[in-house]
This record gives sequence, structure tokens and C-alpha cells, in this order.
Amino acid sequence: DSGVTQTPKHLITATGQRVTLRCSPRSGDLSVYWYQQSLDQGLQFLIQYYNGEERAKGNILERFSAQQFPDLHSELNLSSLELGDSALYFCASSVGGGDSYEQYFGPGTRLTVT
Amino acid sequence: AQSVAQPEDQVNVAEGNPLTVKCTYSVSGNPYLFWYVQYPNRGLQFLLKYITGDNLVKGSYGFEAEFNKSQTSFHLKKPSALVSDSALYFCAVRDLQGGKLIFGQGTELSVKP
Repeated sequence: DSGVTQTPKHLITATGQRVTLRCSPRSGDLSVYWYQQSLDQGLQFLIQYYNGEERAKGNILERFSAQQFPDLHSELNLSSLELGDSALYFCASSVGGGDSYEQYFGPGTRLTVT
Repeated sequence: AQSVAQPEDQVNVAEGNPLTVKCTYSVSGNPYLFWYVQYPNRGLQFLLKYITGDNLVKGSYGFEAEFNKSQTSFHLKKPSALVSDSALYFCAVRDLQGGKLIFGQGTELSVKP
């Protein structure tokens, strides 16, 4: 158990809908990262927050947004869902924001868009 | 741009034999390199990292990795493979302009009894 929690574990929804994925980092970690894992794209970085502020952005679609709250948990919002958004979404956390510390991953949320 | 490559999609090893999972990197500057393992329907688990210092890095579950600057490689090794080591292994490099990890495409390790 990495100490990073993600909810829900599975999510099945229809095209055009909006969902929210939630992540709680390990105690003491200030950085939260979101990654998407799919068969065709592999593991892709989406976005990073550090202590409530957006730190870095990857190839995140405009339909996707995220935030980190004062208690350091984070939410990833996916809207106007398309079939191609079906993937495993991971949250990871680390102590710092851009240093040598390893990232610890949550168990992921499997999103299926039908 | 920084990147890592895992040249083998799959590696097959007999239990008890040594295993190697290959990774090469391309970075400007000194690399921060990581290995993660993913078991079916699970998240990624951190195995080990190279930041600086000794080229041979020891990690969890008996794994180690050798950093080779001249060959720009960071291969994962284990002296004696277990069936329970069967999983998907990812090499990653830390983006120096931020904290994100850039992953290789993954190598499926299969250890047969």
C-alpha cells in the first residue's frame, strides 16, 4: 500500500458526460501528479500540483481540468467524455515538486466511456 | 526533449535464472532515473532510483539497476528470478523542468517455473 488513495476504483459512464476523480496524497506529500494509462498512448503525464498551485501541465485536453485543495487532496474533472477517454487514471504524490524524490502511485481509477 | 526507451516488449526467463530488463535514456544534463513495477489491476510500485553516486543501485525485492553513462543505459537486474516477479516494468526519467516522470513503453516480464 503506497499511502495514496483514489476513488472511485471503477467508473462507467456515457459519452458526453462529466466525471470527477479524487485523490488523497500520502501524508506529508505536497505534490500531486495525474497520469493517464492507455494501451495506445502508454503512461502519459497530465498535470501536476504543488501545495495548491498548478506546477506543470502535460498533454491535458481542454475538456480536462484539475485542482488541489487546501487539505492537499486533488480532483481531476473530465467533461464531454469521448470513447477515447477510456483509460486508467493514476494519481501520484511526492514530498517535493521538482526534485529527486520518488513518486508514489495510487491504485488508479478505471474509466470506461460507453 | 528527454525520453527513455525500453527496447523489449517482453522478456521471458526461467525461475532461478538471472533477469535483465533494458532501458536507455536520452537527456540533457544529469538524469534522474527510476524503475517501477505494475502488477495486474494495480498501481505502479516504486522499485529503485538513480540520482547520483554509485552506478549500481539496489532496490526493493532484490532488484538492482546499473547506470551506465557512456551507454546511456539503466538496466534493471535480478540475480535469481521468481515466478512472482512476473509483471509489467517501467523505466522513467524525471523531467528536469518540472517533477513529472516520462515513462518508457513498458516491458512485460514473464518468469516460468
